Amino acid sequence: TAGITQAPTSQILAAGRSMTLRCTQDMRHNAMYWYRQDLGLGLRLIHYSNTAGTTGKGEVPDGYSVSRANTDDFPLTLASAVPSQTSVYFCASSDPGGADTQYFGPGTRLTVL
Amino acid sequence: KQEVTQIPAALSVPEGENLVLNCSFTDSAIYNLQWFRQDPGKGLTSLLLIQSSQREQTSGRLNASLDKSSGRSTLYIAASQPGDSATYLCAVHSNDYKLSFGAGTTVTVRA
Repeated sequence: TAGITQAPTSQILAAGRSMTLRCTQDMRHNAMYWYRQDLGLGLRLIHYSNTAGTTGKGEVPDGYSVSRANTDDFPLTLASAVPSQTSVYFCASSDPGGADTQYFGPGTRLTVL
Repeated sequence: KQEVTQIPAALSVPEGENLVLNCSFTDSAIYNLQWFRQDPGKGLTSLLLIQSSQREQTSGRLNASLDKSSGRSTLYIAASQPGDSATYLCAVHSNDYKLSFGAGTTVTVRA
């Protein structure tokens, strides 16, 4: 079982460009999450989805959008990247309904220049 | 807004010593608390999850306690080994199902 996969592993992006970070889970979990991790700030929730077809805003949603068309995929889009979005992005999932253990993907390291 | 604090930020101990990692949170209305391990450049691995109704949870050399009323959790790692060197993160599930993370404690176990 792969668990959670994220792509790409790392990316350098020019400011103003758009980018979609991909996240796929094979555990059939209802809830999925996107976090960013920055030195000294810990992990902060960007967006979440409690079930397919629904999404919600986390602590730092500005500049990011998500969609949840099916159970397995939860892509994160940066419409117009800025240098402050340089970070490591983690996707996670949990079941049932988000109250239990969260499982994390390996992360995407994004640098915006 | 839930605030999670981990003290100390870094810890260095000789091999064989017991580790004590502290986590405090401001809002006691929680579902559960989860401890994670993160190796450099890697994702997070769940170590223990304590439900709000539990006082402690054990897995091998790891023991985590929870005092919800005082907003504290402690992770104990017995007989530390160099392989225990990592960053340990505490995360609190609030009643809205969202996880709030501490900044972590970076542990170095010296051989």
